[in-house]
Amino acid sequence: GESVGLHLPTLSVQEGDNSIINCAYSNSASDYFIWYKQESGKGPQFIIDIRSNMDKRQGQRVTVLLNKTVKHLSLQIAATQPGDSAVYFCAERLSNDYKLSFGAGTTVTVRA
Amino acid sequence: NAGVTQTPKFQVLKTGQSMTLQCAQDMNHNSMYWYRQDPGMGLRLIYYSASEGTTDKGEVPNGYNVSRLNKREFSLRLESAAPSQTSVYFCASSADRTSYEQYFGPGTRLTVT
Repeated sequence: GESVGLHLPTLSVQEGDNSIINCAYSNSASDYFIWYKQESGKGPQFIIDIRSNMDKRQGQRVTVLLNKTVKHLSLQIAATQPGDSAVYFCAERLSNDYKLSFGAGTTVTVRA
Repeated sequence: NAGVTQTPKFQVLKTGQSMTLQCAQDMNHNSMYWYRQDPGMGLRLIYYSASEGTTDKGEVPNGYNVSRLNKREFSLRLESAAPSQTSVYFCASSADRTSYEQYFGPGTRLTVT
């Protein structure tokens, strides 16, 4: 399953498929972007980050893409597993600040 | 390492009551943060402490006070709780003010009736 274009608050994905979670950020002066994963009843957990001078970064089963032209960030999860069910947040940080600004989050549900 | 710990996990208050949420980290981090999380709104910063001895207001500080007791501990106080403060509260820490990777505690679910 994919969510492309608009940010969607929920995403249902078949186990084994790839997931794409989108995020639109607000400030063109932001220099760092981070994805967090929050499982039910727990605090957010860092997944991956990307600097504004990059357009792609890969981690283990995850890839983050940054399109500064349209201020869009996406998180791709390969071969989605049941343990990937969670709420995913993007966050941005301004270059002259150290506070993070979080998006509203996307709830990902993995279907067996 | 326990990371970031928070107490209590759950709390119910009546309007007007006061309480303090406790947070401690054992990672020797300099910076600590308090957030609230409401449905559909992501995390909003209440207060932060860039280093021991300093505190600053975040996005939604009204109705809250904080104390950076020492390097490990950062508490959040509600002096007179209101139903609008019903939320899940998260404490976080980072190595220093320039580190963007924040480590979060498990949260405190607060209900104000």
